[in-house]
Amino acid sequence: AQKITQTQPGMFVQEKEAVTLDCTYDTSDQSYGLFWYKQPSSGEMIFLIYQGSYDEQNATEGRYSLNFQKARKSANLVISASQLGDSAMYFCAMREIDSNYQLIWGAGTKLIIKP
Amino acid sequence: KAGVTQTPRYLIKTRGQQVTLSCSPISGHRSVSWYQQTPGQGLQFLFEYFSETQRNKGNFPGRFSGRQFSNSRSEMNVSTLELGDSALYLCASSDGSGTLHTDTQYFGPGTRLTVL
Repeated sequence: AQKITQTQPGMFVQEKEAVTLDCTYDTSDQSYGLFWYKQPSSGEMIFLIYQGSYDEQNATEGRYSLNFQKARKSANLVISASQLGDSAMYFCAMREIDSNYQLIWGAGTKLIIKP
Repeated sequence: KAGVTQTPRYLIKTRGQQVTLSCSPISGHRSVSWYQQTPGQGLQFLFEYFSETQRNKGNFPGRFSGRQFSNSRSEMNVSTLELGDSALYLCASSDGSGTLHTDTQYFGPGTRLTVL
């Protein structure tokens, strides 16, 4: 079974609109961490935001926020007021004890912002 | 603080050759992880080094090896290259605390390897 599922292979969004990228995960651990990374066409993987399983508040970092619904095992990334520079691949990843603390990656979502 | 650097950025090799890729982590970071990224397989974990010791290893053949030096710089070597080794190789560094929640990985720009 897939540990990390990103159901949207690609998305088109109008500039200045908010966008939600979906991520669901599967783990039996009580303690785990969830990460979102952005990968522009240049290739570099850029860390965006982190959410711990015990964090009660949803994580926020500037225009990025994480809609964490623990019972549903979902950790969706929300980008407010999208910009042309947000066009990139976005990856959701999880770290858990069962995986020996290694990051487990989703397949990614390609986001294209239209002017 | 300078970010993670990787050299070279681009590399073209032929089948059967070997290649060495280099990664310099963020100052103070002691853990270096290597990933292979291909369109078909996505991101796959190769190995992680911490304090000059391999701490974790992915499911890759023995042709893929690595090492870490006392200054935390790391090298990755692929021997007897195959066409399927063409990929983007990403290096990531972290403080290596190994904690679930705080050990965020920061990535370099990658080395794009093409095997002809």
